[in-house]
Amino acid sequence: EAGVAQSPRYKIIEKRQSVAFWCNPISGHATLYWYQQILGQGPKLLIQFQNNGVVDDSQLPKDRFSAERLKGVDSTLKIQPAKLEDSAVYLCASSTERAGEGYEAFFGQGTRLTVV
Amino acid sequence: GQNIDQPTEMTATEGAIVQINCTYQTSGFNGLFWYQQHAGEAPTFLSYNVLDGLEEKGRFSSFLSRSKGYSYLLLKELQMKDSASYLCAGSNDYKLSFGAGTTVTVRA
Repeated sequence: EAGVAQSPRYKIIEKRQSVAFWCNPISGHATLYWYQQILGQGPKLLIQFQNNGVVDDSQLPKDRFSAERLKGVDSTLKIQPAKLEDSAVYLCASSTERAGEGYEAFFGQGTRLTVV
Repeated sequence: GQNIDQPTEMTATEGAIVQINCTYQTSGFNGLFWYQQHAGEAPTFLSYNVLDGLEEKGRFSSFLSRSKGYSYLLLKELQMKDSASYLCAGSNDYKLSFGAGTTVTVRA
């Protein structure tokens, strides 16, 4: 079974520039998560989708971050404009159904963003 | 947030046992996950507890007490490859939230 695919693996941008990350979840997985992991910290949930609907985006900085999941499959996360504190690894994960029903989340390799 | 608390670091000797504790918010609680994350890699699933009690899976065991909002991950017969960050993750209202992680260092 193919895993969660993310691209790009690495990205370096200047502050105030824009950047987009792409995620292709495991086929058939209804739930998709975007996490931000700053070095030395645990993953922080930015947004959780159930099919193409948003379950939670309470920690997404909506003035600069946006995410969409077209047709309930692939997803993109965008930052516009980027700030220095956005430097982190952005992890995408997917699960068959919602995590609370015991379905483990499978993670992609992540995109390491450096804002200079 | 989900107020998930776990120790920052633990060190143990190869062959020993280490217990990583985790406390979480009980409001809307569905279940408790443990993930392992090696440096520079993505988290990988270790265990899931929804009922009270101990779940054993080889050298790793996980315990849950729903009434106390408490869980632990027990690592037995430690090996050098077990050096990693161990993440406690709670599902509340079907949202999956992680703690800061416990870095375990295994020494020879």
